[in-house]
Amino acid sequence: GENVEQHPSTLSVQEGDSAVIKCTYSDSASNYFPWYKQELGKRPQLIIDIRSNVGEKKDQRIAVTLNKTAKHFSLHITETQPEDSAVYFCAASAPETTGNMLTFGGGTRLMVKP
Amino acid sequence: EPEVTQTPSHQVTQMGQEVILRCVPISNHLYFYWYRQILGQKVEFLVSFYNNEISEKSEIFDDQFSVERPDGSNFTLKIRSTKLEDSAMYFCASSDQGAYYEQYFGPGTRLTVT
Repeated sequence: GENVEQHPSTLSVQEGDSAVIKCTYSDSASNYFPWYKQELGKRPQLIIDIRSNVGEKKDQRIAVTLNKTAKHFSLHITETQPEDSAVYFCAASAPETTGNMLTFGGGTRLMVKP
Repeated sequence: EPEVTQTPSHQVTQMGQEVILRCVPISNHLYFYWYRQILGQKVEFLVSFYNNEISEKSEIFDDQFSVERPDGSNFTLKIRSTKLEDSAMYFCASSDQGAYYEQYFGPGTRLTVT
C-alpha cells in the first residue's frame, strides 16, 4: 500500500521567513495530494491541494509543488506569521485504484517565532 | 459555515466494552470516512462509506469494527470489544463529492481504553 513520509517533524522559523515541508510517497498511482493544517485543539483543515496534472499551485502565501517522477511534493509558506504555527499534514490518494482514502504523512509541527 | 460534529469529545471505557462514536456529517455530503490517530503516530484511514455501504476499508478495520448510518444525519463507528491498543483520537470526515474533493474533518473523539 501507499506510504507517505514527511520531513521535518518539527520546524522553527522567525516571523517573515519562509517554511518548506517535504513529503515523499511510494505509490505511483497516487494523483491527489492535499495538505491539512491542524491548530492546537482544533480539527484538521484543508489549506491547499494539488492534482497530478499540474506541477505547482499557489494560494496567496501558500504554494505546493509536485514532482511525479521523483514522487515527492512540498508545501511552501512565505512571509510566515505567528498564526501559521500549527501541525501540517500531507496526504496522498489514488482514487483510480484505492478510492478516496487518504494516506497521511507523520505531520510537521511548525513554530513561527515573533 | 457548516461543520462536521462528533460526540463525545472524550470517551473512557474499560477493555472488552463496546463503544459507539458518533458523527454528524455536513448535511448535503454523501461520502463519509473514519480515521484514527494513535498518540504520536500518523493519522490512519479506517473506512469509507457511500450510498449506505462500505466503499473501502483498511486492514485495521477488522470484525471488531462496524459503521452505520442509522438515520439521515448520523454516522457511527462501533467497536465491539475494545482493546488497549484501540486508544486513539478518532476523526470522522465527510465530503460532498468523492475523489479529488476536500474531506472535511470533525474535531475528533479521544477514546481511552483502560
